[in-house]
Amino acid sequence: DQQVKQNSPSLSVQEGRISILNCDYTNSMFDYFLWYKKYPAEGPTFLISISSIKDKNEDGRFTVFLNKSAKHLSLHIVPSQPGDSAVYFCAASAQTGFQKLVFGTGTRLLVSP
Amino acid sequence: DAMVIQNPRYQVTQFGKPVTLSCSQTLNHNVMYWYQQKSSQAPKLLFHYYDKDFNNEADTPDNFQSRRPNTSFCFLDIRSPGLGDAAMYLCATSGLVKGNEQFFGPGTRLTVL
Repeated sequence: DQQVKQNSPSLSVQEGRISILNCDYTNSMFDYFLWYKKYPAEGPTFLISISSIKDKNEDGRFTVFLNKSAKHLSLHIVPSQPGDSAVYFCAASAQTGFQKLVFGTGTRLLVSP
Repeated sequence: DAMVIQNPRYQVTQFGKPVTLSCSQTLNHNVMYWYQQKSSQAPKLLFHYYDKDFNNEADTPDNFQSRRPNTSFCFLDIRSPGLGDAAMYLCATSGLVKGNEQFFGPGTRLTVL
């Protein structure tokens, strides 16, 4: 049972445009959500997070939106840059699970010049 | 730089031959995690240590064991690797505060012949 789903395996955008990566979850106990970025031959690196008490968190070009009623979150990258090309993983943790993260399968983003 | 180091980066073993993967950290984090990631799948938590307290995921096969001799080091032992154990193995660390992100190593890619 996949509790965190990233239904788009890949996304292509042009440099300078907006990238929107989506993530859905099924477990209503999840209260903290994170996005990780992964380049080939490297481990995932933390990008941005959001607590369930918020609906938006912004950090530079990256903004995460949370819609609790829809159990949906999205990562917006504006403007997209070629260096953003990577695999993006959505992850979630629950109140009762100490730091336990449940990951989605990832979305490969390709930003072309 | 503070970091998470995994050795080796690539490991080839034979079917049934025990193998040990290594992880070390300079972040002085209390919690260390081992994940298994197969191609195009989400990273899957195998177990984690909270200091010396070992926590096994319910669906982690008995074939997988772990040791944490001190704060800095953690080992993943696969007693009798099968072909299905070929994967990327990721080590991660985190602090104790809820919401602290996990820091990942670059991973060890295990091939089973």
